[in-house]
Amino acid sequence: AQTVTQSQPEMSVQEAETVTLSCTYDTSESDYYLFWYKQPPSRQMILVIRQEAYKQQNATENRFSVNFQKAAKSFSLKISDSQLGDAAMYFCAYRSLSNRDDKIIFGKGTRLHILP
Amino acid sequence: DTGVSQNPRHKITKRGQNVTFRCDPISEHNRLYWYRQTLGQGPEFLTYFQNEAQLEKSRLLSDRFSAERPKGSFSTLEIQRTEQGDSAMYLCASSPIKRGGNIQYFGAGTRLSVL
Repeated sequence: AQTVTQSQPEMSVQEAETVTLSCTYDTSESDYYLFWYKQPPSRQMILVIRQEAYKQQNATENRFSVNFQKAAKSFSLKISDSQLGDAAMYFCAYRSLSNRDDKIIFGKGTRLHILP
Repeated sequence: DTGVSQNPRHKITKRGQNVTFRCDPISEHNRLYWYRQTLGQGPEFLTYFQNEAQLEKSRLLSDRFSAERPKGSFSTLEIQRTEQGDSAMYLCASSPIKRGGNIQYFGAGTRLSVL
């Protein structure tokens, strides 16, 4: 069974600084998807960034980028130029490549605080 | 596109009562998913539908839980004889079916408190 581990329950960063959230996962599959989701307080979860495991290039979305290390099964999220609106719970997540196994497996999350 | 809608947003009930939640997915999304999120945890998969068909159920979904999607549009999740351990946020998500992976779009959730 696949597992996702986020070892940092909480993190804080000064506004405009850069922060990196860590994630490791375990799977026996060779192809899969990895995600970072953001869950602001009392609001719905939104997709921040997605990485296909068969792509070596790290995904980027504006101020968000990932460091995907397939051999190490590591998938960290870097947020550059942190803004107050980035404060939220961040979940690392895994999904099998197969459309028949369509569930997402989430880590426990990292709560990110932005200090003004 | 109004997003995934869940009702009610909050539900307080007494132990032993039955509750039903509703999820309206994004229009034309074939797949609909239910997850449960307890305090301090990430969401855990419960079940998902493709159109009307329920394709997978987690072992977390005990006999007291039942989900339906009768016409392939909205879905309901019913919990019978609620227990205090059922207190959680229940999240619904929907996705289209696309080659290259289905991105799931989440609703804001229904928070259940069982007293």
